[in-house]
Amino acid sequence: GAGVSQSPRYKVAKRGQDVALRCDPISGHVSLFWYQQALGQGPEFLTYFQNEAQLDKSGLPSDRFFAERPEGSVSTLKIQRTQQEDSAVYLCASSGRTSFHEQFFGPGTRLTVL
Amino acid sequence: GESVGLHLPTLSVQEGDNSIINCAYSNSASDYFIWYKQESGKGPQFIIDIRSNMDKRQGQRVTVLLNKTVKHLSLQIAATQPGDSAVYFCPAGGTSYGKLTFGQGTILTVHP
Repeated sequence: GAGVSQSPRYKVAKRGQDVALRCDPISGHVSLFWYQQALGQGPEFLTYFQNEAQLDKSGLPSDRFFAERPEGSVSTLKIQRTQQEDSAVYLCASSGRTSFHEQFFGPGTRLTVL
Repeated sequence: GESVGLHLPTLSVQEGDNSIINCAYSNSASDYFIWYKQESGKGPQFIIDIRSNMDKRQGQRVTVLLNKTVKHLSLQIAATQPGDSAVYFCPAGGTSYGKLTFGQGTILTVHP
């Protein structure tokens, strides 16, 4: 079956622009996670959804970051007024009901802010 | 608290050799201990997990060992292949819904 997909795969933004990153999780997966991965580092947790409810947003670095999953499937991570320090790979992962720590990751969106 | 620490951030082996990647952890309350690999340009991929009440689990070419006495986790890869070249993580869990804390990882390079 299809895995987790993310779009776009690459995004270049000028500082100050808004961007929207999309994640299509595995069908039927209740849990959805967003992580941010800087170059040479491990992924860092941003936020977690259970169906459409955002239950943990403790990792979002500022109020410029906003995530939603209105129908409990597709999710969008929006970054307003992008800054150079936002340049990173943004990873989306989903997991099923029985094994929350076995997460299926998408390929990521590489964001470069100029 | 949750933290991960990895010994030897880089590891180079010859194709066909066995590899051992080590990890120290601090959160003894985890129900599971987990290994992920991340190949260049891809998202992390789940490899194997081990329940906290076990000390060994075997998968296909991989074995995970857990020593709770010294809070040590290791991943053994048998007959390492060039396709095993990746960054390996032992992320810490600790929440009921699966939030992972990754740390820096160990870079495994397999030479043909």
